[in-house]
Amino acid sequence: GAVVSQHPSWVICKSGTSVKIECRSLDFQATTMFWYRQFPKQSLMLMATSNEGSKATYEQGVEKDKFLINHASLTLSTLTVTSAHPEDSSFYICSATDVTQAYNSPLHFGNGTRLTVT
Amino acid sequence: KNQVEQSPQSLIILEGKNCTLQCNYTVSPFSNLRWYKQDTGRGPVSLTIMTFSENTKSNGRYTATLDADTKQSSLHITASQLSDSASYICVVSASGYSTLTFGKGTMLLVSP
Repeated sequence: GAVVSQHPSWVICKSGTSVKIECRSLDFQATTMFWYRQFPKQSLMLMATSNEGSKATYEQGVEKDKFLINHASLTLSTLTVTSAHPEDSSFYICSATDVTQAYNSPLHFGNGTRLTVT
Repeated sequence: KNQVEQSPQSLIILEGKNCTLQCNYTVSPFSNLRWYKQDTGRGPVSLTIMTFSENTKSNGRYTATLDADTKQSSLHITASQLSDSASYICVVSASGYSTLTFGKGTMLLVSP
């Protein structure tokens, strides 16, 4: 079945540094990828939607200059947390789908990245 | 405002028992409803996807029901196993993937 690989699975960084998280679709073309943020015992919160080859669409309240999203190919999207602060510590999850398939096809999720900013 | 409410918030059951999780939604227009299982520290895994015309869908020991009139869905787990311990998330789509509304999930703990 379809697999979405997310890397790294966890990362610890110092405040003020930048961190890049990769999301890859391994056996299908991900025309659209989504980035979520999840705090403990909370639901997934959509941060942005990215379509291959175009600029990402950010949800209200998400700083596009802080959370840089690149979707340069049909199999790779990256999220870069710039100038990270402790409040950016969270669980970041990506998901991917091929919108050329059925509208109700499964949405495949990565296994998430636990970011801790010290 | 589109909302998805799940109940109970958490649940503890004995191994081998059955349980039912609830999902009520106010998403419009309705496209489909999905149940996901999320293990701690992992990404969600799809269990079922149901469209407007589907009332019941099964995936092994998981059976989801949908009542589009009352805007309610349930996920029934039969003969629970320790590995069923996870968060179960109900996700409702209005139109397109960018309009997904996530519930907060039900945390299920299956104890031996």
